[in-house]
Amino acid sequence: GESVGLHLPTLSVQEGDNSIINCAYSNSASDYFIWYKQESGKGPQFIIDIRSNMDKRQGQRVTVLLNKTVKHLSLQIAATQPGDSAVYFCAEDDQGAQKLVFGQGTRLTINP
Amino acid sequence: GAGVSQSPSNKVTEKGKDVELRCDPISGHTALYWYRQSLGQGLEFLIYFQGNSAPDKSGLPSDRFSAERTGGSVSTLTIQRTQQEDSAVYLCASSLPGHPSGHSQETQYFGPGTRLLVL
Repeated sequence: GESVGLHLPTLSVQEGDNSIINCAYSNSASDYFIWYKQESGKGPQFIIDIRSNMDKRQGQRVTVLLNKTVKHLSLQIAATQPGDSAVYFCAEDDQGAQKLVFGQGTRLTINP
Repeated sequence: GAGVSQSPSNKVTEKGKDVELRCDPISGHTALYWYRQSLGQGLEFLIYFQGNSAPDKSGLPSDRFSAERTGGSVSTLTIQRTQQEDSAVYLCASSLPGHPSGHSQETQYFGPGTRLLVL
């Protein structure tokens, strides 16, 4: 069945470095993707989204890249800060049914 | 109100008891979702309400789980005869309706969740 997963369960980076979190999806019909950030004890927080008619979208310090050929999604965080420490989830819509399918998450830790 | 709110924030119950979890969505959001998140895991879809349409219950794991949404706003998730495997964080999210084409997702905004522990 369709699934969304992440290549790495954990990622550790130095403060100030750039972070790249990857996500693979299997449903080629998905046309909308979202990255969420979840801090400990809190609900997921929307970071950035991208629709399938785009291959790149930029926000404040974050960039999402979509490669539909290989069904790969990535989140790039520039100049990583301690406050970026969290679990990051990618999610795809279920063929327009407005039912998101989430990956397992990547835990990002920042080393001082 | 600011965002999605949920209550209680924490709930400890005994196996076999019923529990009710409440979600107050963002005002004006007609779509409401319930998810379950087990420790260290991703989010598992449970149920979706959109306006006056019949809810999508395809994610409910068993008939012990049910949800309702009264007046198109507040929603209650009920778990009957709780089991230890029901222990998880239950998250609620709301969003504006998608585009009429049905092919455009609107961003879901999540509440802080209810942490349920079944002893």
